[in-house]
This record gives sequence, structure tokens and C-alpha cells, in this order.
Amino acid sequence: DAGVIQSPRHEVTEMGQEVTLRCKPISGHNSLFWYRQTMMRGLELLIYFNNNVPIDDSGMPEDRFSAKMPNASFSTLKIQPSEPRDSAVYFCASSLGYSGGSTDTQYFGPGTRLTVL
Amino acid sequence: TQLLEQSPQFLSIQEGENLTVYCNSSSVFSSLQWYRQEPGEGPVLLVTVVTGGEVKKLKRLTFQFGDARKDSSLHITAAQPGDTGLYLCAGRTDKLIFGTGTRLQVFP
Repeated sequence: DAGVIQSPRHEVTEMGQEVTLRCKPISGHNSLFWYRQTMMRGLELLIYFNNNVPIDDSGMPEDRFSAKMPNASFSTLKIQPSEPRDSAVYFCASSLGYSGGSTDTQYFGPGTRLTVL
Repeated sequence: TQLLEQSPQFLSIQEGENLTVYCNSSSVFSSLQWYRQEPGEGPVLLVTVVTGGEVKKLKRLTFQFGDARKDSSLHITAAQPGDTGLYLCAGRTDKLIFGTGTRLQVFP
């Protein structure tokens, strides 16, 4: 079975441009998570969805960031306008159960490396 | 703010040596997980510990959850170059909080 799929794998853009990152979770999984990883701050949870509904977006840095999950097989993370400090690796993960499950396993995609010049 | 501190931050050792990585917090977690991440890939789950004092073994890796469920350790016996990677602990409350990470390099 295919794991979590993310696209693009690499994105280089200029400051001020809109960036859209895409994620296809594992089929049948009920929860989807967006993370950001940097050397300085480590792996941070940005937002997560249960059954396509956003549950906790407290990790979203600011209004420039938005995430949607229009159906169970697709999610996007959009940054508009992008800034150099947004440069990071963005991971999508999915899990079978809901985020409150004490032993739930999250399966991560390969990540999108974003560079904003 | 819940914080999971890992130590050491970096570890560079020779093949065959033993090592221990620590994960500490002031918060209590319902469970704790350890992940390993290789360059260019996402983290991959190694183990989940749930009960205070629990010990789990995965080949040469031994994981322990503290009695108070606030801390954990990962011990690797006779490290091999294939163990090289970023090790992340993650504590669960209503969501998963990741630790600061330990970057391990094992030289042949």
C-alpha cells in the first residue's frame, strides 16, 4: 500500500509568492496532521483534522497560513504571502484513529522542503 | 507550554559502542513514542510505551518510560552505522508533542 504522499518534494519560491503544499493521506485513515520542521524549532504541529474537520489550528503561525481538507483523500497547506522565515520542511502525517488515542500511530510523508528567497 | 527536552543533542560514536538518549519533561503524558528519522524522509515510529515504568526492547534498542510518565530513555547496545539518524521522542496529551531531537552518527 502507498504511504502518505506529498507534493511537491521541493519548492523554491520568492518572497511574497503564494505556496501550496499537497498531501494525500493513507486510505482509510481518519486523522491528518501538518507539521513544520526546522533546525531551530524542531518538529512543530501546525494543524490537525479529524474526519476532514479542523480540530486544532493553534500551531498555525499566523494568518498567512491556511489549511483545508475538502475530502478524506486530500489536504492542502497554503502560505500567502510567503516569507523567508517560512523556509522549512513541511510534513503531512495521517493516522487511523483519532488524535486523542493514546497509542495511535502517525505515518509521515516524505516532506516538502520549502525555500523562500 | 509543554516541552520535551532531549539530551544529548548530538552524539557521534564508533560502531560497537553503547549509548543512551534521554527525553525529559515536567508534563505527564498518557503515552510516549520514539521515532527515527533519516535524511530526506519523515519520522518512522519505533515504539510506544504507555505504562509508567514500562520497558520495551526492539532488538538492540531498549526503551523505558519513567515511573511518573514524565520522562523516557532509549538505550542502544553495540551501535551500528545503520542506527545513524535523528531520534525523536513524542509525548501524547490531547495531541503529540515532539522532543527537540538527538542526532546520532555511528562511524564504522
